[in-house]
Amino acid sequence: AQKVTQAQTEISVVEKEDVTLDCVYETRDTTYYLFWYKQPPSGELVFLIRRNSFDEQNEISGRYSWNFQKSTSSFNFTITASQVVDSAVYFCALRVGNTGKLIFGQGTTLQVKP
Amino acid sequence: AAGVIQSPRHLIKEKRETATLKCYPIPRHDTVYWYQQGPGQDPQFLISFYEKMQSDKGSIPDRFSAQQFSDYHSELNMSSLELGDSALYFCASSPRMHGSNTGELFFGEGSRLTVL
Repeated sequence: AQKVTQAQTEISVVEKEDVTLDCVYETRDTTYYLFWYKQPPSGELVFLIRRNSFDEQNEISGRYSWNFQKSTSSFNFTITASQVVDSAVYFCALRVGNTGKLIFGQGTTLQVKP
Repeated sequence: AAGVIQSPRHLIKEKRETATLKCYPIPRHDTVYWYQQGPGQDPQFLISFYEKMQSDKGSIPDRFSAQQFSDYHSELNMSSLELGDSALYFCASSPRMHGSNTGELFFGEGSRLTVL
């Protein structure tokens, strides 16, 4: 069975703090894809990143960075120097093999206070 | 760049009524997905279509049906609405890449259905 767990339900930080959102996934497939989406209060789902199971290179995009570790089945997301506009619900998701559907984690609500 | 278009953005219905949501995928995207997100919940996969044929099915109630048309737009029909159907309904599209579905899903802004 496939599953995504985001153990942190809510996180609150003060602006400029660094924050890491955890994501642990379960799958027996060797080919899979991991995603992070941001859902701001307005409700839309904004794509942030996609990684495939064969590429464990970490990635940095501005203040965002992702740490993919197959050994621990984790795909954690770090925001450096957080800003109020980062306040949103963040979802980690898993796609297995050639299927199209995404399996979402429960989401982590991030609140960045000024 | 063109995004996934969903309509209507907001819809209010009474119990036992019928509702239809529409989705227009990004041009040249041939795969469409429908997700349902209840209040405080993560999005749940309902159904998907590739080239106008149903490609996968998730937790879609029997009261719901969907189809993809020749212009690739899709409609989600919901009948005998219940209070629990109140949710944000997302449509997403993706292109096929090298014959397999490995691209990221691009989501629309969602249609918020409220059942009273």
